[in-house]
Amino acid sequence: QQQVKQSPQSLIVQKGGIPIINCAYENTAFDYFPWYQQFPGKGPALLIAIRPDVSEKKEGRFTISFNKSAKQFSLHIMDSQPGDSATYFCAASINNNAGNMLTFGGGTRLMVKP
Amino acid sequence: GAVVSQHPSWVICKSGTSVKIECRSLDFQATTMFWYRQFPKQSLMLMATSNEGSKATYEQGVEKDKFLINHASLTLSTLTVTSAHPEDSSFYICSAGRDRGHEQYFGPGTRLTVT
Repeated sequence: QQQVKQSPQSLIVQKGGIPIINCAYENTAFDYFPWYQQFPGKGPALLIAIRPDVSEKKEGRFTISFNKSAKQFSLHIMDSQPGDSATYFCAASINNNAGNMLTFGGGTRLMVKP
Repeated sequence: GAVVSQHPSWVICKSGTSVKIECRSLDFQATTMFWYRQFPKQSLMLMATSNEGSKATYEQGVEKDKFLINHASLTLSTLTVTSAHPEDSSFYICSAGRDRGHEQYFGPGTRLTVT
């Protein structure tokens, strides 16, 4: 079964800290790994995504590190701010005849204290 | 670009009634639309995938006769919850993909409460 395991479930950091969220997958057919940010009562918003042929991708304060051999990837948030407090989901995508289906991790609730 | 809207944003209905939720891609044509369900403090669970003009593909365990999905055009998909019960209360979120690309663009979600 396709699964994406995400940890930790919750995380508290001080402003300016670097929270790190980890995900692991099983299916080597996954070929696209996005991270989403979700605020309460809102839909998820795409933050950053990576493909398995790249080991790292940085966009602004957000960095994805990808380890293909370990089947793991992680999100780092540099200089975290209270406005970053949200739930973060990793996901993995596989293409099939019905389109590119996303499998989500369980989510990480991040709180950044001022 | 790539904006997806949902209507209504929240709805309260009585047990036994049906509720329709609309999902629209506002500035692009969505070749595929997805419907998710999210319970409080939980992840998104894919309910079904729909392609314009064809029947939706439902995930295992999702009752196709209860959750009717129609994808009549490249910009509109609807989810109808038929004979709703309190256990159907949840946050329903749609997403849209274009050109068979990997990216999915999510709507703001619809909070359904069945009393």
